[in-house]
Amino acid sequence: GAVVSQHPSRVICKSGTSVKIECRSLDFQATTMFWYRQFPKKSLMLMATSNEGSKATYEQGVEKDKFLINHASLTLSTLTVTSAHPEDSSFYICSAREMDTVYSNQPQHFGDGTRLSIL
Amino acid sequence: QKEVEQDPGPLSVPEGAIVSLNCTYSNSAFQYFMWYRQYSRKGPELLMYTYSSGNKEDGRFTAQVDKSSKYISLFIRDSQPSDSATYLCAMTTDSWGKLQFGAGTQVVVTP
Repeated sequence: GAVVSQHPSRVICKSGTSVKIECRSLDFQATTMFWYRQFPKKSLMLMATSNEGSKATYEQGVEKDKFLINHASLTLSTLTVTSAHPEDSSFYICSAREMDTVYSNQPQHFGDGTRLSIL
Repeated sequence: QKEVEQDPGPLSVPEGAIVSLNCTYSNSAFQYFMWYRQYSRKGPELLMYTYSSGNKEDGRFTAQVDKSSKYISLFIRDSQPSDSATYLCAMTTDSWGKLQFGAGTQVVVTP
């Protein structure tokens, strides 16, 4: 259980293009989804947190107009990199977390990431 | 000082050996502790999830949390070449779930 699907796995596009990445929770309802960026041989850097039906909360230094996040349903969140430039090239990973119950706190489950290359 | 410290390695062990990984942290409010395994060009996979202090075992994996020392460990018994990956510790203070990650330790298990 707890499968998170991320699509596409690889994107190569020209500078100035906008790119949309999808994150789906396949077998659970994700009340919270997270978007991370990871540089080579580095740990994950949280970009933003989104709760279903509300605006995303961005981490300090992350441009919300550059990285648009939508979490319109309990199983889908999207990250759109607008007017992408070579410095936006990176590995983007989403995670999803279902609602805590009275008995348990739920961990994050991650997608397999999207490797974005901007030429 | 980082909130979570983890030696990046690489840690090289022969097949069949015990792999010992650890993280230290500074924030005593952390309550939930996780270990993730990440293969190259893949997302992290949850291995172990523990609350507060104590031990937890799952197959070849044992996680230990010592809140008094602010120290967590992961042990992998009978290591296999397929265990070669980067292991990330992560922790959070509350059920909202925002994680603080360690740098990740690269593990290489040689046949």
